[in-house]
Amino acid sequence: DGGITQSPKYLFRKEGQNVTLSCEQNLNHDAMYWYRQDPGQGLRLIYYSQIVNDFQKGDIAEGYSVSREKKESFPLTVTSAQKNPTAFYLCASSIVGTTEAFFGQGTRLTVV
Amino acid sequence: EDQVTQSPEALRLQEGESSSLNCSYTVSGLRGLFWYRQDPGKGPEFLFTLYSAGEEKEKERLKATLTKKESFLHITAPKPEDSATYLCAVQNYGQNFVFGPGTRLSVLP
Repeated sequence: DGGITQSPKYLFRKEGQNVTLSCEQNLNHDAMYWYRQDPGQGLRLIYYSQIVNDFQKGDIAEGYSVSREKKESFPLTVTSAQKNPTAFYLCASSIVGTTEAFFGQGTRLTVV
Repeated sequence: EDQVTQSPEALRLQEGESSSLNCSYTVSGLRGLFWYRQDPGKGPEFLFTLYSAGEEKEKERLKATLTKKESFLHITAPKPEDSATYLCAVQNYGQNFVFGPGTRLSVLP
């Protein structure tokens, strides 16, 4: 089945630690995105990539980093510089152009 | 700056009570408008894409319409399983998606 897989589903992090969220897609999509969702707010764009080895910052990139070494994979690292990392993180992919984005099931990150 | 607002923030309906959700947008150049359904703790599920004013799309009890400034998601005779948060998003010419905060729909049996 084609789709987007995010792992883990739940993640706990101690303050001061970096953590990496995984996102893999087998839809052959060129574009991939990371969003953050907080209660009562819309999805906010962290980073996006439209081609391998290239990515751009979104609206809230501070404290986050990404890589795009393979078309299928777009991991997100939440660094210790992110002051309020507890949130629901969503990865999405799309064909470049005017098409819908498809989402993974999300990773809920909690700082303990 | 591209913006999407949705109203109401929350909506409670009785089963069978039809209603509409609103999505208002300002965008520098509209490539497409998208509706998603999101269940608690899950990723958004794609429903519709609309590209130009006057366009309509239907799926079961849902119908989406588009004007130059807003989109409506009409829900006809809803059932409890339609309870979810409905998200609206626009795609600009930079090919980024801008999402609204969503409307939380509850359908009571």
